[in-house]
Amino acid sequence: GAGVSQSPRYKVAKRGQDVALRCDPISGHVSLFWYQQALGQGPEFLTYFQNEAQLDKSGLPSDRFFAERPEGSVSTLKIQRTQQEDSAVYLCASSLGGPSYEQYFGPGTRLTVT
Amino acid sequence: DQQVKQNSPSLSVQEGRISILNCDYTNSMFDYFLWYKKYPAEGPTFLISISSIKDKNEDGRFTVFLNKSAKHLSLHIVPSQPGDSAVYFCAASVVNSGNTPLVFGKGTRLSVIA
Repeated sequence: GAGVSQSPRYKVAKRGQDVALRCDPISGHVSLFWYQQALGQGPEFLTYFQNEAQLDKSGLPSDRFFAERPEGSVSTLKIQRTQQEDSAVYLCASSLGGPSYEQYFGPGTRLTVT
Repeated sequence: DQQVKQNSPSLSVQEGRISILNCDYTNSMFDYFLWYKKYPAEGPTFLISISSIKDKNEDGRFTVFLNKSAKHLSLHIVPSQPGDSAVYFCAASVVNSGNTPLVFGKGTRLSVIA
């Protein structure tokens, strides 16, 4: 009965480094979402998977951001050549249905780029 | 251009009184609205939702009201309890024509004072 888990919880990266953030959704949830939450803002949509298919990546801010979910379960969000503006909390959520259904969020990964 | 706006960054209410959190939206296509609650260092948790075919939905102490003509919704919490102190996010989506990702407001920090 575990919820959505994310690792690491905190990540400090030097500018220019690559990072990989992991999300383990609730077992059986077909949909998985990534959001970026900057300080003082609400979560902003990045990308959405239904099983292993990435159905929407319209929110990814640049081609430095890449997400995958190869087996339809665990997902990884990769950010290449990190920049200071990438500093944010990255939230993962999963749901039984599509984007508008009730989404269950993980605790997030706080990324700080120095 | 923010499609979902929560114009009050913070709200303080005495324990036992009513808390009213407001949300405005600009996209008339939105037809499904949700409220999420977030404690520090945790992901948002789903609270209550409403479809545009209704104007009210109630769940225990929480009631959401939707005024489509004004493009406004509100969350009422009564009676407010200290454990309700959190950041509340309003979110909206289009379900009937495409099942679009959730769009979140910036949040309102509610403090319930004992």
